[in-house]
Amino acid sequence: DQQVKQNSPSLSVQEGRISILNCDYTNSMFDYFLWYKKYPAEGPTFLISISSIKDKNEDGRFTVFLNKSAKHLSLHIVPSQPGDSAVYFCAASGNTNAGKSTFGDGTTLTVKP
Amino acid sequence: DTAVSQTPKYLVTQMGNDKSIKCEQNLGHDTMYWYKQDSKKFLKIMFSYNNKELIINETVPNRFSPKSPDKAHLNLHINSLELGDSAVYFCASSQRVLTNEKLFFGSGTQLSVL
Repeated sequence: DQQVKQNSPSLSVQEGRISILNCDYTNSMFDYFLWYKKYPAEGPTFLISISSIKDKNEDGRFTVFLNKSAKHLSLHIVPSQPGDSAVYFCAASGNTNAGKSTFGDGTTLTVKP
Repeated sequence: DTAVSQTPKYLVTQMGNDKSIKCEQNLGHDTMYWYKQDSKKFLKIMFSYNNKELIINETVPNRFSPKSPDKAHLNLHINSLELGDSAVYFCASSQRVLTNEKLFFGSGTQLSVL
């Protein structure tokens, strides 16, 4: 039972355009969400997070939106750059699984020059 | 200066062998983890240690035994390796235990069991 799902295995966008990566979750107890970015042969690195008390968090070119009623979050990258090409993982946690984030299976983003 | 480093990066071995993966973090964090990324690409937690004490053990076979000599090190020993153990294993750390804060990952160990 995968509680966190990223239904798009891959996404390709043109440099300068917006990239939108989606993530759905099923456990209503999740109240903290994180996005990680992973380059080949490296470990995931933290990108941005959002608490369930907010519906938006912005950090430079990266914005995460949370829709609690739909149990859906999305990561927007504007403008997309070739260096953003990587695998993006969504992760969720809450009081019931604090300290053990549940990860999605990742979306591979390719930004074309 | 790598924050979380794990060795080896690649490990190819025969079924039935015993192998170890080492992990060290220089971030001064209290908590360390082992995650497994399976063929379906999901990252799943295996173990978590806080200051040398086992905190989380996620129904991992007994053949997997983590050892933490100090809070900066968390090693993973695997006995009697099986084909299904082939995966990428990531070590990670975080500042505190049982919180939702971000993780710092090592670069992974690709284990291939033949």
